[in-house]
Amino acid sequence: QVQLQESGPGLVKPSQTLSLTCTVSGGSISSGNHYWSWIRQPAGKGLEWIGRIYTSGSTNYNPSLKSRVTISVDTSKNHFSLNLSSVTAADTAVYYCASNYYGSGSYEFDYWGQGTLVTVSS
Amino acid sequence: DIQMTQSPSSLSASVGDRVSITCRASQSISRSLNWYQQKPGKAPQVLIYAASSLQNGVPSRFSGSGSGTDFTLTLNSLQPEDFATYYCQQSYSTPWTFGQGTKVEIK
Repeated sequence: QVQLQESGPGLVKPSQTLSLTCTVSGGSISSGNHYWSWIRQPAGKGLEWIGRIYTSGSTNYNPSLKSRVTISVDTSKNHFSLNLSSVTAADTAVYYCASNYYGSGSYEFDYWGQGTLVTVSS
Repeated sequence: DIQMTQSPSSLSASVGDRVSITCRASQSISRSLNWYQQKPGKAPQVLIYAASSLQNGVPSRFSGSGSGTDFTLTLNSLQPEDFATYYCQQSYSTPWTFGQGTKVEIK
């Protein structure tokens, strides 16, 4: 059973960079049939897809965040990471990492981390 | 971006009821539509993928239908553990987008 776990600071100052890591266990991040995504959810609101990475390093980002987002992967550590620069209070949210299974053709988010709350405040 | 609109935003139902949630895409997405359930303080969990395929381990009282722009999630014989928020999500093209959610509450 694949498990994902987010880690990183829970408090980030405005204008700084938010950095999170998602560690994958119970399977290899290089298995070849998953993309690896970041999703966020402000308190009481809906879900926003931030972007995805394949183990080759190929990425796709949400245009709404593209200028500030970098997603990277370290296959030797079986983890992938999110950097979001120039944060403001609007970036305060629970951040989830998740895997996308493309074997079904539907790219559903089949495994999720538990989520980590990141608050942007001075 | 493809906009996903769910209706209703919330509903009240009783245990044993049958409920349906609708999701409409702003353009055709074929059958690239997934449904998730989210309980308070927890990550979403996939229920249905590719519009109508039941994820392994999900009870058969959940079903999905539709194609193109209009989709439906149906919950037959609502159980206490089904009271939650449900989201649709299109995987037809990036950026992948979600509906705003439908909260199913106990009447």
